[in-house]
Amino acid sequence: GENVEQHPSTLSVQEGDSAVIKCTYSDSASNYFPWYKQELGKRPQLIIDIRSNVGEKKDQRIAVTLNKTAKHFSLHITETQPEDSAVYFCAASKIDDMRFGAGTRLTVKP
Amino acid sequence: GAVVSQHPSRVICKSGTSVKIECRSLDFQATTMFWYRQFPKQSLMLMATSNEGSKATYEQGVEKDKFLINHASLTLSTLTVTSAHPEDSSFYICSALQLRETQYFGPGTRLLVL
Repeated sequence: GENVEQHPSTLSVQEGDSAVIKCTYSDSASNYFPWYKQELGKRPQLIIDIRSNVGEKKDQRIAVTLNKTAKHFSLHITETQPEDSAVYFCAASKIDDMRFGAGTRLTVKP
Repeated sequence: GAVVSQHPSRVICKSGTSVKIECRSLDFQATTMFWYRQFPKQSLMLMATSNEGSKATYEQGVEKDKFLINHASLTLSTLTVTSAHPEDSSFYICSALQLRETQYFGPGTRLLVL
């Protein structure tokens, strides 16, 4: 089955700096890669996603890149703000089957 | 995005009792819903995949007789924790699959078994 690895497990940055979270997956059949943000005690919220026919997608301060050949994808957050502090999960999915990474706890210091 | 509700948000029960958690997709039909368990500071652990009108598919190591799942309609799935014990205390989150691709999560249910 699919195996998703996520790094780093914790990340601390200064406000205004960039943050990068990386994930790798094992199943070449996975074709959809969402990223979720989970604040303490709350539900995961979809923040951005990318499909396998696209190499990069950007939404304001958030961007995701995908390298299908290497089976890895990354989340980039620029100009980080304290409210970006949360746990971020990557996921790799094929139809009806999504697997999550272990999560990255991002702390943005003011 | 789509809205998924979950009820109750928090429940405290005595050991040996059963607890039912409901998951509803409010503005779309979901033929597939998922149930996750999340321990503090850990990732989402998939427990089972719930398909409308058929039996749920359980992940390895999850007891199907202990975690009963019913997906009776396109907007409702229920998880019943039978004979709950303190080790079942956890945060349970459901999600509903929209257009067979995007998962939207419920707000979660915090279960505490005394």
